Amino acid sequence: DAEITQSPRHKITETGRQVTLACHQTWNHNNMFWYRQDLGHGLRLIHYSYGVQDTNKGEVSDGYSVSRSNTEDLPLTLESAASSQTSVYFCASSGPYEQYFGPGTRLTVT
Amino acid sequence: DQQVKQNSPSLSVQEGRISILNCDYTNSMFDYFLWYKKYPAEGPTFLISISSIKDKNEDGRFTVFLNKSAKHLSLHIVPSQPGDSAVYFCAASALPGNQFYFGTGTSLTVIP
Repeated sequence: DAEITQSPRHKITETGRQVTLACHQTWNHNNMFWYRQDLGHGLRLIHYSYGVQDTNKGEVSDGYSVSRSNTEDLPLTLESAASSQTSVYFCASSGPYEQYFGPGTRLTVT
Repeated sequence: DQQVKQNSPSLSVQEGRISILNCDYTNSMFDYFLWYKKYPAEGPTFLISISSIKDKNEDGRFTVFLNKSAKHLSLHIVPSQPGDSAVYFCAASALPGNQFYFGTGTSLTVIP
């Protein structure tokens, strides 16, 4: 069965460290997305990609970057982790209609 | 500026009764709308969708209504069951499959 996976599921890091969250999908979808979920804000879009070598900034992109070197993966990098980036991060991919979400990564920046 | 709004952070309903979750949007270019259900420690799962050419879509106990002139959609769950207790997000897009804008979510509790 096709799926979308994220790793790690939980991560604790220190302020100023670089962190990369992995996202891998086997749906063969061109469109992939990264969101963060915070209380009172719902799901906010960080970055998205409509295909290999394509990346776009979302609503809350400052401090984050992505790269898309193949169809299956869209890693999210926090260049210099800040306490404000403590959150739950969800990756998603979409076919012609709805988005399919991964299980999430809970990131704590201390 | 929040383009999709869910003004009720929480809702409690008795088992067997109807649950109505509401969602408002501001962008008239939105043409495709979805509802997602999310349990704790899991990713959101797709529930039901509607495009702007329709005003109603049903799937079992779940019905979504769209009022384009009012820029309002609602999700009806009948009858509500304890397993429906979750956070529900509405989302909107100008083009299906592309960038979606999500509301802040409504936490539904169905009381046995």
